[in-house]
Amino acid sequence: EVQLVESGGGLVQPGGSLRLSCAASGFTFSTYWMHWVRQAPGKGLVWVSRISGDGSNIAYVDSVKGRFTISRDSAKNTLFLQMNSLRVDDTAVYYCARIKEGGSRAWDVWGQGTTVTVSS
Amino acid sequence: QSALTQPASVSGSPGQSITISCTGSSSDVGGYNYVSWYQQHPGKAPQLIISEVSNRPSGVSDRFSGSKSGNTASLTISGLQADDEADYYCSSYADSTTPYVFGAGTQVTVL
Repeated sequence: EVQLVESGGGLVQPGGSLRLSCAASGFTFSTYWMHWVRQAPGKGLVWVSRISGDGSNIAYVDSVKGRFTISRDSAKNTLFLQMNSLRVDDTAVYYCARIKEGGSRAWDVWGQGTTVTVSS
Repeated sequence: QSALTQPASVSGSPGQSITISCTGSSSDVGGYNYVSWYQQHPGKAPQLIISEVSNRPSGVSDRFSGSKSGNTASLTISGLQADDEADYYCSSYADSTTPYVFGAGTQVTVL
């Protein structure tokens, strides 16, 4: 079964750090570009970051540049998001999702999400 | 402010058809055939229902269809059912430092 399972969310104070993980199974991880998409409470979806299958191509939304770092471990089929200097407006459910290399530019599988709350 | 513009809400009676619009620019919707649509029920992860403007993934009902004209894409739900009550988001690949953009979402209500 194709599956993405996020973990690592929690409550953190402003200025703090968290590392999210996304464990992939049931497919060839290296052939998919992996993404993080977030959703603030009661709000819409926002694309956050993406990494290519070989890890060489990375992009971020402007609001997280310099604070968040995306990475992947092909040996462990796991995607990461290191979040530093967290702000209150980073509070959201964070989803990982995949897009097939050379494919439709659509996320066909999503994780269940992990909740990040930034509050003092 | 979202890059793509969707109506905040659309409603219809069971069995009716509704259409949700998604308006962008020549840098996103108008420039690429990479518009996708997602259905999200409360408390759940989004689910892909349309990719590449009009392609339905395996397992998605043929009551969902997509199209595009210029800078505006559309999602049509025909034969509206109670389970179609959800939020719907459009997304497009974009010629930008932010390669993917979303609409703000449309809440569909089945009357």
